[in-house]
Amino acid sequence: NAGVTQTPKFRVLKTGQSMTLLCAQDMNHEYMYWYRQDPGMGLRLIHYSVGEGTTAKGEVPDGYNVSRLKKQNFLLGLESAAPSQTSVYFCASSYLSFGGYGYTFGSGTRLTVV
Amino acid sequence: GESVGLHLPTLSVQEGDNSIINCAYSNSASDYFIWYKQESGKGPQFIIDIRSNMDKRQGQRVTVLLNKTVKHLSLQIAATQPGDSAVYFCAENMRGAGNMLTFGGGTRLMVKP
Repeated sequence: NAGVTQTPKFRVLKTGQSMTLLCAQDMNHEYMYWYRQDPGMGLRLIHYSVGEGTTAKGEVPDGYNVSRLKKQNFLLGLESAAPSQTSVYFCASSYLSFGGYGYTFGSGTRLTVV
Repeated sequence: GESVGLHLPTLSVQEGDNSIINCAYSNSASDYFIWYKQESGKGPQFIIDIRSNMDKRQGQRVTVLLNKTVKHLSLQIAATQPGDSAVYFCAENMRGAGNMLTFGGGTRLMVKP
């Protein structure tokens, strides 16, 4: 009964490096999301997916790419990391139906770009 | 621990007192609202939700009140305990936006023993 699992939990990158954050859910949820959380701010949606093979832009998509090749996995990529991408990243998944239950969140990935 | 929440509004209460956390939401078309609790180093955790056809909903020790006239949401925690210390976020979902949530900035609750 893992729920939503994010890897890695911590990472330090140098400016210009690339990396991929992995999110895996075992609840058969259709919707998956990537958020970032900065000090003093609420979660902001980066990208989301409404099903396997689909992705869409959220509120702050620039500098990130995503892929949903399998229903249970949602990958977030940074092609060329910048210090402005230093943040805590949360993945979430949810049921398809509108107005349904709240999201299930992962425990987060703390990313520092130096 | 998390650096999130350094600049958040803070509510400090005595253990055993009741807490009220407020949230102003932005979209009058939103019709589903959720309160989340986030402890240091963890992801947000669902507490309670409410639909716009209700103005009050109660859970275990928690009550959510919705005032659509002024677009205001509140979370009441009865007999606050040290374990309630966390950052609390409200989120709104607008009809027609699928299952997309927009989150508020959060309030830090500190419970003094």
